[in-house]
Amino acid sequence: AQSVAQPEDQVNVAEGNPLTVKCTYSVSGNPYLFWYVQYPNRGLQFLLKYITGDNLVKGSYGFEAEFNKSQTSFHLKKPSALVSDSALYFCAVRDSGNTPLVFGKGTRLSVIA
Amino acid sequence: EAGVAQSPRYKIIEKRQSVAFWCNPISGHATLYWYQQILGQGPKLLIQFQNNGVVDDSQLPKDRFSAERLKGVDSTLKIQPAKLEDSAVYLCASRQPPGQGKDNEQFFGPGTRLTVL
Repeated sequence: AQSVAQPEDQVNVAEGNPLTVKCTYSVSGNPYLFWYVQYPNRGLQFLLKYITGDNLVKGSYGFEAEFNKSQTSFHLKKPSALVSDSALYFCAVRDSGNTPLVFGKGTRLSVIA
Repeated sequence: EAGVAQSPRYKIIEKRQSVAFWCNPISGHATLYWYQQILGQGPKLLIQFQNNGVVDDSQLPKDRFSAERLKGVDSTLKIQPAKLEDSAVYLCASRQPPGQGKDNEQFFGPGTRLTVL
């Protein structure tokens, strides 16, 4: 069975500094990995995904994530944080079949001006 | 392209009452999902449809929850009777058939926030 761990409930970072939101996963077979962002009273918005190919994937709003197979990680990163990046971030995984996403519990990112 | 539509956006009911949520997926999306997101947790799958057939309902509390997608387009999720622990956001998502563009992405609606008193 697939599972996702987001070890940090909260990440605080100063505006302009780099940010990292951590995610590790467990899946049988090849992983399909995703990051979603959730703003208050809004649905989940897709940020980026890794399916195959280059381990560094770039997504919306300047975010990127690095797939590390040996560490089974898919950490979300951004070189320079903005106050508007403050939100709830979810990592999700599924296998290559027609299976639904399994989500982590989420990490709340707070960017302080 | 219109997104996934859900209604109502908010619902407050008392325990033991019934409630129904509606979802209209993106046009052409064969796969539809209902997720439950309890405050402070990630979304948890309740049921997955492929067209009008159920693919996975293993985590659906079938004694009180039911869902249908009769014509393979929009879907309803019902809770009868509701319990306090059903207070959550209910998210609907849809996905394109395999081989069609962004078939790996799930697109989410805004959710229905249910409060059971």
